Amino acid sequence: QVHLVESGGGLVKPGGSLRLSCAASGFTFTDYYMSWLRQAPGKGPEWLSYISDGGTYTYYADSVKGRFTISRDNAKNSVFLQMNSLRVEDTAVYYCARDHTDFDYWGQGILVTVSS
Amino acid sequence: DIQLTQSPSSLSASVGDRVTITCRASQDIGNSLAWYQQKPGKAPKVLFYASSILKNGVPSRFSGSGSGTDYTLTISSLQPEDFATYYCQQYYNTPRTFGQGTKVEV
Repeated sequence: QVHLVESGGGLVKPGGSLRLSCAASGFTFTDYYMSWLRQAPGKGPEWLSYISDGGTYTYYADSVKGRFTISRDNAKNSVFLQMNSLRVEDTAVYYCARDHTDFDYWGQGILVTVSS
Repeated sequence: DIQLTQSPSSLSASVGDRVTITCRASQDIGNSLAWYQQKPGKAPKVLFYASSILKNGVPSRFSGSGSGTDYTLTISSLQPEDFATYYCQQYYNTPRTFGQGTKVEV
């Protein structure tokens, strides 16, 4: 079955960087766009970025544009989110999700805390 | 960006009740709407896409409807496992956006 597992989260100081990874299994990875979303404590989900199946096309929410970079390695069935210039307001649980117009499968989420 | 406004923000209900949640978009989104259920500490789970098409495995007591800017999620007979927060999400254009959520509680 479809399985998405995020890793790479943790505590980072404002202005710092983190790289999130998402390992996918159980489906043909190269057939799907992939997205990253996040959910701040007590808030609804926020879509951040998607990457096309071949990796050619990317798109970002204004809140992360210029700071976050999405990428994928189709040979390793993985998608990544490089997060730079982190801010306190980036504190959230981050999810990768299979992007099928709706987000039909999500990882379990990983916590990123930005605090001094 | 397309804004989605859900109502109510929360509701109290009992097992067996009929529950209706609405989602209003800031522009016509042409049925490009999904509904999600989220339980504490878990990722959201998609219930519907295209406003009314039930995902595999979702109980038939859930139904979705709507068009244009106004959409509805209905639970015909609330079950204990349905107490959760529900979100609508549009995929008519990018950025994809979510409603603020409706918490269904006892």
